[in-house]
Amino acid sequence: QSALTQPPSASGSPGQSVTISCTGTSSDVGDYNYVSWYQQHPGKAPKLMIYEVSKRPSGVPDRFSGSKSGNTASLTVSGLQAEDEADYYCGSYAGSDNLGVFGGGTKLTVL
Amino acid sequence: QVQLQESGPGLLKPSETLSLTCTVSGGSISSYYWSWIRQPPGKGLEWIGYIYYSGSTKYNPSLKSRVTISVDTSKNQFSLKLNSVTAADTAVYYCARGRSSWNQWGQGTLVTVSS
Repeated sequence: QSALTQPPSASGSPGQSVTISCTGTSSDVGDYNYVSWYQQHPGKAPKLMIYEVSKRPSGVPDRFSGSKSGNTASLTVSGLQAEDEADYYCGSYAGSDNLGVFGGGTKLTVL
Repeated sequence: QVQLQESGPGLLKPSETLSLTCTVSGGSISSYYWSWIRQPPGKGLEWIGYIYYSGSTKYNPSLKSRVTISVDTSKNQFSLKLNSVTAADTAVYYCARGRSSWNQWGQGTLVTVSS
């Protein structure tokens, strides 16, 4: 069982927006602004899409945005495109003894 | 653009030691944190641990008793050792740059534990 909880699936039509949630606790998501999001296509390595809750690495489209409220972080993908279909994982800092925890992943389907 | 490449045996027997090396090219291993992360087939990601180029380490408490991560700055490499493997350690093992978020990843290497 993963430390962070994500819905197993999400979907939307091209052009629409979809939001994926990531629920943790006051010991990880709720206590630190170190939430990150990763996109993973089949057979490929994960790709960092969002770090420190809402920052985008260079090269990531601004259609991807992140936010956090309490113990829940969210990734929003606006203007869905076919290439956005992938698995998405959230990650969080969880204190000095357990630095990295992940969610179980969400499969995003573009209808 | 820094690139990471994992290398090591792909098949182990139960109770053996998993040994993987990550070679960093296109940039220096110095001044960064470097992590190992694994993903069992069809499952999610699990952080194993990290090492700073200076040699300081942190490990996932659930694996701490079996894990050692080391660095060789002269070769621009860092390594993972996981003792007493079982079938539950079967996974794709990734090396990545970072400590609590990871912005560069290797392609991953599948390690299968089977008798």
